Amino acid sequence: DTAVSQTPKYLVTQMGNDKSIKCEQNLGHDTMYWYKQDSKKFLKIMFSYNNKELIINETVPNRFSPKSPDKAHLNLHINSLELGDSAVYFCASSQEGLTDTQYFGPGTRLTVL
Amino acid sequence: AQSVAQPEDQVNVAEGNPLTVKCTYSVSGNPYLFWYVQYPNRGLQFLLKYITGDNLVKGSYGFEAEFNKSQTSFHLKKPSALVSDSALYFCAVRDIGGGFKTIFGAGTRLFVKA
Repeated sequence: DTAVSQTPKYLVTQMGNDKSIKCEQNLGHDTMYWYKQDSKKFLKIMFSYNNKELIINETVPNRFSPKSPDKAHLNLHINSLELGDSAVYFCASSQEGLTDTQYFGPGTRLTVL
Repeated sequence: AQSVAQPEDQVNVAEGNPLTVKCTYSVSGNPYLFWYVQYPNRGLQFLLKYITGDNLVKGSYGFEAEFNKSQTSFHLKKPSALVSDSALYFCAVRDIGGGFKTIFGAGTRLFVKA
């Protein structure tokens, strides 16, 4: 069984569209994250939820809205997509705690045309 | 503020030779340090971490890292490189001041030549 899964794996869309990426973890972890990896492979935290509560909200445009229906799921909705949103988005999860390892999903490659 | 520096974009090493991937960090409190590896078109995978205790940490696939508080470094090492070690390596840091936020370095691409 895949520990952290994301759908879809690839997403190609036009500028101005709205899209969602879904993430699920079956590890029983309390904390989930969204990261953005740009074309230079730089990895940056976007959001984090702990037990369905938002705990990290970096300087991300309001067009990005995370939602956590339960602690096993963290979805990312993006409104009015822009060219600069093209990137690979990774979901991750960990147990609660500073010392805990993060487990990453396989990534969703978003291409905005 | 927390920060992580990986000074080398790429490290080239011959198979069988030892390898080192460098990482330095800056945090206000005690650091919790991690190394992750990313293979092409894959998510990051955990290699090892330093929390406290012995400065030499052993991890997956024969990798180890040495925590050096005075030099604020956490270099990744392996005694004998394999071609299959070729990948992108990320150093990461957390501390109490940063909460759950993990700061990742820019990544170092390791290329092992047969």
